[in-house]
Amino acid sequence: GDSVTQMEGPVTLSEEAFLTINCTYTATGYPSLFWYVQYPGEGLQLLLKATKADDKGSNKGFEATYRKETTSFHLEKGSVQVSDSAVYFCALMMDSSYKLIFGSGTRLLVRP
Amino acid sequence: GAGVSQSPSNKVTEKGKDVELRCDPISGHTALYWYRQSLGQGLEFLIYFQGNSAPDKSGLPSDRFSAERTGGSVSTLTIQRTQQEDSAVYLCASRDTGGAETQYFGPGTRLLVL
Repeated sequence: GDSVTQMEGPVTLSEEAFLTINCTYTATGYPSLFWYVQYPGEGLQLLLKATKADDKGSNKGFEATYRKETTSFHLEKGSVQVSDSAVYFCALMMDSSYKLIFGSGTRLLVRP
Repeated sequence: GAGVSQSPSNKVTEKGKDVELRCDPISGHTALYWYRQSLGQGLEFLIYFQGNSAPDKSGLPSDRFSAERTGGSVSTLTIQRTQQEDSAVYLCASRDTGGAETQYFGPGTRLLVL
């Protein structure tokens, strides 16, 4: 079945470091891809999305490019801030069902 | 505008009791989803309502779980005869089906079964 695999955390970085969180997917068709973020004590929020191959989603300095050839949607940010500390979830959605299939989540901790 | 709201925010119950969790979606959103976030299983889809169509119940883990959506708005997730493995955060999300894919999540209900 369809699935999402993302790197295990926690990921600990110093402020202003470069961030990459890897995400790969398995799907029978061509899903839409999402990154959701969960800040401490808050609900899940959409961070960015991409709906077709080679699309780049971006928001708040984060970027991810939909790579069909490698079935990947890695999340990147050039310079992280302490306020980016959160759990990040990669997810896919097939058009037929519109339900999200999530990865296991990656906790990011940014130290001052 | 108001987002998705859920109640209660926390629920502690004894094994064997029934619990009801409520979700108020964003006004006008016709699609509603329930997910469960637990330590062992991550974030799992439970059930999906779309308008007046029959719900997609494919993610419900057992027949102790059921959900309904009255009047196309508020939804209630019911867990009968709760077990300790039901302890999790239950998340509700809604989506505007007018061409949009984004699901908006509520803050969740944290359920602890003792």
